[in-house]
Amino acid sequence: EAAVTQSPRSKVAVTGGKVTLSCHQTNNHDYMYWYRQDTGHGLRLIHYSYVADSTEKGDIPDGYKASRPSQENFSLILELASLSQTAVYFCASSDRGENTEVFFGKGTRLTVV
Amino acid sequence: AQSVTQPDARVTVSEGASLQLRCKYSYFGTPYLFWYVQYPRQGLQLLLKYYPGDPVVQGVNGFEAEFSKSNSSFHLRKASVHWSDWAVYFCAVSMDTGGLSGKLTFGEGTQVTVIS
Repeated sequence: EAAVTQSPRSKVAVTGGKVTLSCHQTNNHDYMYWYRQDTGHGLRLIHYSYVADSTEKGDIPDGYKASRPSQENFSLILELASLSQTAVYFCASSDRGENTEVFFGKGTRLTVV
Repeated sequence: AQSVTQPDARVTVSEGASLQLRCKYSYFGTPYLFWYVQYPRQGLQLLLKYYPGDPVVQGVNGFEAEFSKSNSSFHLRKASVHWSDWAVYFCAVSMDTGGLSGKLTFGEGTQVTVIS
């Protein structure tokens, strides 16, 4: 079964601090994604990656960095966490090709105080 | 730019009754459309997907959706709701038909509550 594992599952961070959210997939997928979900809103794409050591900006990249050190791992980095970044973050992966299914992790609930 | 609108933030339905969730999209070209379900404290799971072809698509757990180009809609239906269908449902459109199937634009979601 395809698997995307996120860690931690929840985190409380201090404003101005650095936060790293991790994602690990065992699907052997080339593509990985980071989304954020705000209460009452759908998911919005932050960053994505085609291949290891390369990342691309999504729709809302400001305030976030991404790192893809290997095919399996994709991290989201908040260098200076802000209150507005309180949200649930989802990682996802998909294989190359047009009709491939996207697999989502269970999410990381981040609260910035 | 593409967009997806789900006009109903919350829907309450009796167990055994039928369900319809509305989705309107705005997209230049032929869209690839999806419905996802999110159970409490879980990630999103794919219910069904539409690629150009038959406008009615079948999904898991008795769900189906109908694509209408003239109405720019992709409504989700289920004939008889079960309590386990209590979840948030998201409609989404693919932003990339070149292989990045995970580049999705999501609607706001519809919370479905099932009552007995």
